[in-house]
Amino acid sequence: SQKIEQNSEALNIQEGKTATLTCNYTNYSPAYLQWYRQDPGRGPVFLLLIRENEKEKRKERLKVTFDTTLKQSLFHITASQPADSATYLCALMGGGFKTIFGAGTRLFVKA
Amino acid sequence: DVKVTQSSRYLVKRTGEKVFLECVQDMDHENMFWYRQDPGLGLRLIYFSYDVKMKEKGDIPEGYSVSREKKERFSLILESASTNQTSMYLCASSVTGTGRTDTQYFGPGTRLTVL
Repeated sequence: SQKIEQNSEALNIQEGKTATLTCNYTNYSPAYLQWYRQDPGRGPVFLLLIRENEKEKRKERLKVTFDTTLKQSLFHITASQPADSATYLCALMGGGFKTIFGAGTRLFVKA
Repeated sequence: DVKVTQSSRYLVKRTGEKVFLECVQDMDHENMFWYRQDPGLGLRLIYFSYDVKMKEKGDIPEGYSVSREKKERFSLILESASTNQTSMYLCASSVTGTGRTDTQYFGPGTRLTVL
């Protein structure tokens, strides 16, 4: 069955460092991969989308890579700030209407 | 800005009650979704709708039904609430546009407790 894995352990980093979150998937060939941010008690908010033919996408301090051979996406936040503390979800879309979400990784950025 | 609203932020119901969760979006999106979110399990799709009066089962439809009589409104119904339906329920909408990127816009969620 299709499976997405994100590191279930929280990631703790110091302010100013780069945070790197991992999303691995199996039994799936997504056309797109998305990253969302979710704050406690809130719904997820879309951050970035990367297509299967793109290797890397950037938006301000965010960078996403997509390796369809390794079946992995990496999500980087450079110059991290305490306000970046949240849960980050990856989501796969293979066309059609269904999207599969990972369980998310909790990020804590310490001042 | 896209706005997706849900009728309640918190809801407490008793086992066996019929429960209605309402979701409204204001951006004329074709697609609407209902998910539940539980710790460690991520978002799981219950039902989705790609047009008025159209609905498709997601991964965990058992115990739920949906209604979409108007484009902007998508309702989730728990016919007879059970304690294992205690969860955070999230509604989302998306537009099927050029490239079909299907970015989803989420509501704030309803935390349902079934006693």
